[in-house]
Amino acid sequence: AQSVAQPEDQVNVAEGNPLTVKCTYSVSGNPYLFWYVQYPNRGLQFLLKYITGDNLVKGSYGFEAEFNKSQTSFHLKKPSALVSDSALYFCAVREAHDMRFGAGTRLTVKP
Amino acid sequence: EAQVTQNPRYLITVTGKKLTVTCSQNMNHEYMSWYRQDPGLGLRQIYYSMNVEVTDKGDVPEGYKVSRKEKRNFPLILESPSPNQTSLYFCASISRLDEQYFGPGTRLTVT
Repeated sequence: AQSVAQPEDQVNVAEGNPLTVKCTYSVSGNPYLFWYVQYPNRGLQFLLKYITGDNLVKGSYGFEAEFNKSQTSFHLKKPSALVSDSALYFCAVREAHDMRFGAGTRLTVKP
Repeated sequence: EAQVTQNPRYLITVTGKKLTVTCSQNMNHEYMSWYRQDPGLGLRQIYYSMNVEVTDKGDVPEGYKVSRKEKRNFPLILESPSPNQTSLYFCASISRLDEQYFGPGTRLTVT
């Protein structure tokens, strides 16, 4: 079965600095990869996905993610962090109808 | 407005008292799913449904039931809730573009 790991529980960055939230995955076939964001007391919101094509995927709110097949990674990035980006971020992988989420990474952007 | 609604948003109940959490989507999506979110574990899929009258178990189905009698509704049923089912529950509706739309969540406490 597929799995996904987010090695960092917490990431802290200063506003204006670039941010990276890490994700690695394991699947038996071609990966369908996703990033979701959860703000306090809210459901998850879709940010971006990788199905096929370009390794650099652009998504909502200025986020992008880089698919790296050799390293089985799908790290989320943003060139310049905003305080409003502070939230819980989830990486997910889908294989057939089975969806697996990582444990989440809490991003805190400080002014 | 495209949305997924869940009710109730908060529920405190006692062990063994049957309950139902409703989920409804207005996007005419065929695919819907239920998750539970627990600290440090991310989201885990309970059940999913690919269409009306088609449901299947996810990662953690024990103690739960679902039904899909019509496309827009996908209720989650706990026949005999136990304290280990205390959690935050999310319903999701999945588009043909493979993007999940999450409801606002239901926080369930079983005493």
